[in-house]
Amino acid sequence: DVVMTQSPLSLPVTLGQPASISCRSSQSLVYSDGNTYLSWFQQRPGQSPRRLIYKVSKRDSGVPDRFSGSGSGTDFTLKISRVEAEDVGVYYCMQGTHWPPWTFGQGTKVEIK
Amino acid sequence: EVQLVESGGGLLKPGGSLRLSCAASGFTFTNTWMSWVRQAPGKGLEWVGRINTKADGATTDYAAPVKGRFTISRDDSRNTLYLQMNSLKTEDTAVYYCTREDWWSLSHWGQGTLVTVSS
Repeated sequence: DVVMTQSPLSLPVTLGQPASISCRSSQSLVYSDGNTYLSWFQQRPGQSPRRLIYKVSKRDSGVPDRFSGSGSGTDFTLKISRVEAEDVGVYYCMQGTHWPPWTFGQGTKVEIK
Repeated sequence: EVQLVESGGGLLKPGGSLRLSCAASGFTFTNTWMSWVRQAPGKGLEWVGRINTKADGATTDYAAPVKGRFTISRDDSRNTLYLQMNSLKTEDTAVYYCTREDWWSLSHWGQGTLVTVSS
């Protein structure tokens, strides 16, 4: 199985400041069709997860443009350009390239300092 | 608007069985691959399994911890996804989410249903 490793696991941030979460996979996530199936999810306290980003950098409808995804191969990053209070929660990366199974990172908890 | 509504969770003893349902609306269910994902209390997300469309053979895949015990099925006439769980273990205690797939990812999630396995 592909292992997804996120860092940091806890991220205290100041409102209005940028934040960055790293996700590394144990093998390349480039699929045979040339696409890279790496997604990011946000889970606010007490809520279901919500997808923010798919295919490394494609933002879902309704996701604020302060969220961006980047990376290639085995190294990926989720960036929040200016953290707002509503961004508090746990963020997960997930690979959809090598299945079964699809695998998630451990999660990164974002909190306000 | 895409809606996924899970039901059927509850408290049961180890070795028991339970069937979860997920009522889907707001998209063409027949044409959509679907997955179940679970989250143990205070833990991260774990993919449980998936089913593709009837046109693709309604083929299923499962995570190793549930293979042979869980069965995913679908009733396209009812726009409903199912998760039959047998031989339940305490480690199956989790919130179970029904999810819609696209782009080899999970585009929409239900609100989840809690399954507690305890003696």
